[in-house]
Amino acid sequence: LAKTTQPISMDSYEGQEVNITCSHNNIATNDYITWYQQFPSQGPRFIIQGYKTKVTNEVASLFIPADRKSSTLSLPRVSLSDTAVYYCLVGPHSKNRDDKIIFGKGTRLHILP
Amino acid sequence: GAGVSQSPSNKVTEKGKDVELRCDPISGHTALYWYRQSLGQGLEFLIYFQGNSAPDKSGLPSDRFSAERTGGSVSTLTIQRTQQEDSAVYLCASSLVQGANQPQHFGDGTRLSIL
Repeated sequence: LAKTTQPISMDSYEGQEVNITCSHNNIATNDYITWYQQFPSQGPRFIIQGYKTKVTNEVASLFIPADRKSSTLSLPRVSLSDTAVYYCLVGPHSKNRDDKIIFGKGTRLHILP
Repeated sequence: GAGVSQSPSNKVTEKGKDVELRCDPISGHTALYWYRQSLGQGLEFLIYFQGNSAPDKSGLPSDRFSAERTGGSVSTLTIQRTQQEDSAVYLCASSLVQGANQPQHFGDGTRLSIL
């Protein structure tokens, strides 16, 4: 499975747009890119998933360049409640038992007032 | 609707005791996962149930760990003869559709502390 690299931590301020970039140089043709958010003392929560170009939902946008070797999660106008750990994962929608997604350490985002 | 429910939310036990952790997945979800998360770390895959197929146990750290899923719904993770290194948060997730990167819905975990 494709390995991902993302910053260990980031700080931003309330009302700002935050962009977290994830590198996945060896992404495979059938791999999708998925982001999860985890608040303290809670399980991760699925945010968004995409394959190429741009995906947007009520929470975030996901930008994927043409070569798909990286992706950027964009959080518009963050608030203090967006302080969390954000995980980038890459993998197929495969039913193959050997294809398991891997949660790394994620990016610890800290929003300041 | 109800999300993934895990119980107990916290468990403190003495080294050497057996513990059982329970997961109630979202109704109708065919896939169920168990993960372990140590403080400040990412999630460590433990076991994966996919429909009626045999589970993928490749992530279980030792033979003291086992899990079952009864009737395709509730799952129990059992740790026998607990050790201090077993202390962690144990997370359960389910997904509607089988597949490695299908969106997973997580419970809030069981925080296990071994004294």
